[in-house]
Amino acid sequence: EADIYQTPRYLVIGTGKKITLECSQTMGHDKMYWYQQDPGMELHLIHYSYGVNSTEKGDLSSESTVSRIRTEHFPLTLESARPSHTSQYLCASTAEANEKLFFGSGTQLSVL
Amino acid sequence: DQQVKQNSPSLSVQEGRISILNCDYTNSMFDYFLWYKKYPAEGPTFLISISSIKDKNEDGRFTVFLNKSAKHLSLHIVPSQPGDSAVYFCAASVGDDKIIFGKGTRLHILP
Repeated sequence: EADIYQTPRYLVIGTGKKITLECSQTMGHDKMYWYQQDPGMELHLIHYSYGVNSTEKGDLSSESTVSRIRTEHFPLTLESARPSHTSQYLCASTAEANEKLFFGSGTQLSVL
Repeated sequence: DQQVKQNSPSLSVQEGRISILNCDYTNSMFDYFLWYKKYPAEGPTFLISISSIKDKNEDGRFTVFLNKSAKHLSLHIVPSQPGDSAVYFCAASVGDDKIIFGKGTRLHILP
């Protein structure tokens, strides 16, 4: 049912590398979100966007940045990865408020 | 301060019996509640939702109950099946605001 895609699924990189996690959706949703989740913890909102050229920081402070140049695309970038960035990153989208979020499969990031 | 609380980190239920997952919230302005299911290394998948104007919503084996006065909701799964073993997240939102998630409850369905 969900047409939201994240790449890569798994990524292992060294400290100091620049990385971009990709997220695309084909549902025409205006609202898109990035969550970070560690085992046994809640999903923490780190960035969101309500449309093209609109981005906001979420509740959890993050050293990552995002962009929203096209409706369907919402990439997340880490300029210099550190071991503390090791986590699962989940992208989601929705059409309207008070409607369910559709999630991608997630990117499991490990920084050595 | 957590606005959505799932106080049971894990729950074990016999196959065929009822699984009851609980969730408490602190913000009385929440007007929309959702349950998600998550397998390891995958994204959460939507299960069922309920608006604050209702107290029950049913979809197949899944039923969500909302008690606004107690600020409590629960998810009932009947009958429980092996494929139901996963982490279940409770979530809530108010108006046009962002969805807030709990920490999840890991459900183990025993053979």
